[in-house]
Amino acid sequence: ETVLTQSPDFLSVSPKEKVTITCRASQNIGSSLHWYQQKPDQSPKLLIKYASQSVSGVPSRFSGSGSGTDFTLTINSLEAEDAATYYCHQSRGTFTFGPGTKVEIK
Amino acid sequence: QVQLQESGPGLVKPSETLSLTCTVSRGSISNGDYYWNWIRQPAGKRLEWIGRIHASGRIDYNPSLKSRVTVSADTSTNQFSVTLTSVTAADTAMYYCAREPGDWPFDQWGPGTLVTVSS
Repeated sequence: ETVLTQSPDFLSVSPKEKVTITCRASQNIGSSLHWYQQKPDQSPKLLIKYASQSVSGVPSRFSGSGSGTDFTLTINSLEAEDAATYYCHQSRGTFTFGPGTKVEIK
Repeated sequence: QVQLQESGPGLVKPSETLSLTCTVSRGSISNGDYYWNWIRQPAGKRLEWIGRIHASGRIDYNPSLKSRVTVSADTSTNQFSVTLTSVTAADTAMYYCAREPGDWPFDQWGPGTLVTVSS
């Protein structure tokens, strides 16, 4: 089973700043890494698929990069509505998720 | 747009069996383009994939739960279900059903249903 770790655990960021969240896989998963946003009392929402592919309806300030074992989610110019927990998820073999990164707006 | 809705008991006693159903509307679970999944999330913890079913009859389980889990589907009611036997407090979680297109990750989720294991 591929274990995913994320850093940092928590971020407090001012609006319009740039946010970078990393996800590391315990083994090579190619580009089978996806990012979700989860707001309190809501189900997760798909943001980025296959490491860097955009998803229809998701604002362009969200982008992803990486391959193999190291991946990054970037939020350019953070907005108040982006306050949420962000999870990475891998789909190579048994599906697993990262522990999440909580983003708070200052 | 497809909609998914979980339903089932919110409280289950230890050692008993947890059973949940996901009702799919505005879409068919017989559509071979999708897998239908169960995922859970204990409070404050990461998501955990439970298992999935495909219209072909293929069923996949998380090895960590495989001995206790069954996923099934009823095409006549457009529902799919999960049962988890011999539950303990560690099975207390929000349970989600989710759609997985064959070449996409989970793209549509139900709102979730909270299941508490307690006597």
